[in-house]
Amino acid sequence: DAGITQSPRYKITETGRQVTLMCHQTWSHSYMFWYRQDLGHGLRLIYYSAAADITDKGEVPDGYVVSRSKTENFPLTLESATRSQTSVYFCASSFSGGPNTGELFFGEGSRLTVL
Amino acid sequence: AQTVTQSQPEMSVQEAETVTLSCTYDTSENNYYLFWYKQPPSRQMILVIRQEAYKQQNATENRFSVNFQKAAKSFSLKISDSQLGDTAMYFCAHGGGSQGNLIFGKGTKLSVKP
Repeated sequence: DAGITQSPRYKITETGRQVTLMCHQTWSHSYMFWYRQDLGHGLRLIYYSAAADITDKGEVPDGYVVSRSKTENFPLTLESATRSQTSVYFCASSFSGGPNTGELFFGEGSRLTVL
Repeated sequence: AQTVTQSQPEMSVQEAETVTLSCTYDTSENNYYLFWYKQPPSRQMILVIRQEAYKQQNATENRFSVNFQKAAKSFSLKISDSQLGDTAMYFCAHGGGSQGNLIFGKGTKLSVKP
């Protein structure tokens, strides 16, 4: 089915471990984004990508790494997880970007708990 | 910096009543989009309604409508005939992020009571 999918949906890990959250979209959207959602903060942008092999930092990038070798995939890696990275992570995509950014299409979210 | 402010962290409304959620934003852009997203307990982000800034007419989607005041940078959401299924977190978002992203407010938790 077409859409945007995230995996895993739930993950528990320990401090210091590496974790990768996967994101796959079937629309061939150019733009992809990673947000984290925390109570009292809404959604904050971690990283974004305007196209394959083009990525850049968002508002809260520290401790995260992304790559985009193919248009449809945009994995997010926590190189050494910390408790402050316990959060719900959303991947999203859109056809356009810039000042006229249109609708974002969201994945179902990945809840990550770092013990 | 571009920001989105939702001044009501929580609201409640009786079933079948009308409720209005407030949102203000700051931007230097002239053309942009504004959105309201709904996040029910399932956690899925669902687009409720979208407004293009160059359109003066307020957007409407069934029971959902907006009051868009461009000069005041205000974008409120009105829900008419509230239903129990409207219980959710509602996020206002502005499509003017410099990285091509949406900028979100902190959300308003809406509870519809029977």
